[in-house]
Amino acid sequence: IAGITQAPTSQILAAGRRMTLRCTQDMRHNAMYWYRQDLGLGLRLIHYSNTAGTTGKGEVPDGYSVSRANTDDFPLTLASAVPSQTSVYFCASSMRGHRGDRNNEQFFGPGTRLTVL
Amino acid sequence: QKEVEQDPGPLSVPEGAIVSLNCTYSNSAFQYFMWYRQYSRKGPELLMYTYSSGNKEDGRFTAQVDKSSKYISLFIRDSQPSDSATYLCAMSERDKLVFGAGTILRVKS
Repeated sequence: IAGITQAPTSQILAAGRRMTLRCTQDMRHNAMYWYRQDLGLGLRLIHYSNTAGTTGKGEVPDGYSVSRANTDDFPLTLASAVPSQTSVYFCASSMRGHRGDRNNEQFFGPGTRLTVL
Repeated sequence: QKEVEQDPGPLSVPEGAIVSLNCTYSNSAFQYFMWYRQYSRKGPELLMYTYSSGNKEDGRFTAQVDKSSKYISLFIRDSQPSDSATYLCAMSERDKLVFGAGTILRVKS
């Protein structure tokens, strides 16, 4: 694989169910991110990890949790899905953890389309 | 008020037209300014990266930053149908990166 992969591509989920979105990168990037993209609202940061073993909350963390056991994987879990979590979810990674650093481009995965009914 | 404002469009232009995409922002601490391009059902990819005020040109694309007006622009010359996509502006300072909502661009052949 090259870059970032996400799974599943799409999912329809009943409200109240638990769901884990998977993200794997092979670029040995230190930092990884989860965003949700909603029409008119753009990309909003859910959680991030500046390095393996650490995580932080973004702009819209409620209802989501993450873990970073190793450099490559950064799963996002919805413990009990609600319809407002219907969105397109993007995982991204960058070389360094400081998002404001110069030349610290974020590379995005292809996204997961999640519908919660 | 959002930190970054971007007109969602859609913006529809004929092939060969010059396209102007714009964002305004309120946080004067933003130092780095980016444009991402996102094709339908794909993830965003970095298109242009500019530091502070000024212009940057890359082929048919020119990014312009006016920090005094808190206004950034992306110009596309000789637009092509393959330029049809959503364009997101993004800007950052310290440990913060904020995206605009994205402008949908359609270039008609």
